[in-house]
Amino acid sequence: EAGVTQFPSHSVIEKGQTVTLRCDPISGHDNLYWYRRVMGKEIKFLLHFVKESKQDESGMPNNRFLAERTGGTYSTLKVQPAELEDSGVYFCASSRNRENTEAFFGQGTRLTVV
Amino acid sequence: LAKTTQPISMDSYEGQEVNITCSHNNIATNDYITWYQQFPSQGPRFIIQGYKTKVTNEVASLFIPADRKSSTLSLPRVSLSDTAVYYCLVGRGSSNTGKLIFGQGTTLQVKP
Repeated sequence: EAGVTQFPSHSVIEKGQTVTLRCDPISGHDNLYWYRRVMGKEIKFLLHFVKESKQDESGMPNNRFLAERTGGTYSTLKVQPAELEDSGVYFCASSRNRENTEAFFGQGTRLTVV
Repeated sequence: LAKTTQPISMDSYEGQEVNITCSHNNIATNDYITWYQQFPSQGPRFIIQGYKTKVTNEVASLFIPADRKSSTLSLPRVSLSDTAVYYCLVGRGSSNTGKLIFGQGTTLQVKP
């Protein structure tokens, strides 16, 4: 069984540009989460999808961030326009159900905004 | 969601048993206690989960006292490859949305 995959693994963009991160969850996992860690800080929750619906987006920092999960399969997280403080590692995780704490994480996408 | 407190760092030597204790004084009745492990350049990986008493799997043991205000992750006979950050998380009861709240974690350094 394939794990959670994220693409790209690294991205370096200039301030003001747009970047789109992709996450493919484990097949059959309805729950998909985005997290991020900015330099020196803790891993922070961004949002939670149940299938294609946003269940909780309380962690999204501002309206420059847009997450989608069309069809309830893979998800994208777009940052537009990117700012320097958006640099960090973005993790995606999926789980079969939300009562089970065993969420499976991807390797992360390291985003650097210069 | 209950806040957790754990040591920032720990050192150990190969072959030793390592115990990492986490405090969670405000744990709710329906909260579970879960530990994750994270290696550099990787995402966190689930290790073990428990509600009360003791849980053991092929990787670790989790000890939870009766009051559930703390828990101890026990790693038997660590090796260099166990060097990682270990996170204690509390939550995920049936009323929870399922999001995980990470603290700073405990950086375990295993020395030869």
